[in-house]
Amino acid sequence: EVQVVESGGALTHPGGSLRLSCAASGFTFDDYAMHWVRQAPGRGLEWVSGLTWNSDRKSYADSVKGRFTISRDNGRNALYLEMNTLRPEDTALYYCVKDITAALNAFDVWGRGTKVVVSS
Amino acid sequence: DIQLTQSPSTLSASVGDRVTITCRASQNLDKWLAWYQHVPGRAPKLLIYKSSILKRGVPSRFSGGGSGAEYSLTISSLEPDDFATYYCQQYNTYTLTFGGGTKVEIK
Repeated sequence: EVQVVESGGALTHPGGSLRLSCAASGFTFDDYAMHWVRQAPGRGLEWVSGLTWNSDRKSYADSVKGRFTISRDNGRNALYLEMNTLRPEDTALYYCVKDITAALNAFDVWGRGTKVVVSS
Repeated sequence: DIQLTQSPSTLSASVGDRVTITCRASQNLDKWLAWYQHVPGRAPKLLIYKSSILKRGVPSRFSGGGSGAEYSLTISSLEPDDFATYYCQQYNTYTLTFGGGTKVEIK
C-alpha cells in the first residue's frame, strides 16, 4: 500500500523550533518529488515547501522562506521539514505529500497530518 | 507568486444537481492546474491534473477544463459523497499555490 506517515508535531513557543518527519512506503521514493502542505484551523490548504526527487530544486512559500528547510533521505525513504523561528501563524496540521512526478507538480498521496501548535 | 481565486466560496446544491466551480489565476498557467476534494477529517484527494486529466479511479461525473488563466471543475450530477471543499492548485511555477477553496454544501 502506498502511504506516507508524518510525525514530529508538537506544542511549542513562539521562536521555537521543530523537525517534522515523514516515512514513505509502498512506492519507489526516489522517483518522486515530495512536499509539505499545511492547513491552519478554519483555513484552506497552503503549500509550504517541495523538493525534487534528487533535491536539486527546493522551493518554499514566501510565508516560510528563510525559516523552514526541507530535505529528504532517499536511502531511508524519508522527508523532513526543519522549522525555526516559529510563529503563532504557523499553527496548523502539516501534511506530507507525494508528487505525481519527479518534479514539482500535483499531489496524489497525502498523509493524515501531524499537528503543530505555536503558542505562549 | 501566482494568485488563484475560486468562485463561489460556498455553493449550496442538492443531490443530482450539476455544479461548476471556477478558478481564476493572476497569470497564464498553460493548463498546469489540479483540482482536489477535501472532506473534513480525511486527507485531500486528487481529482484532476493538467486541467482536464481525470486521475484513475475518480468517477467520470467529475470533469475539468479551461486554459490560460481561467479553469473550471464540473460535477455533472452531485452524489452524497461529493459534499466537500474543493481546491484548485497551480504548478506552473516552482512556487506552488492553492486557491481559497469552494465549499459545496447540501441545500
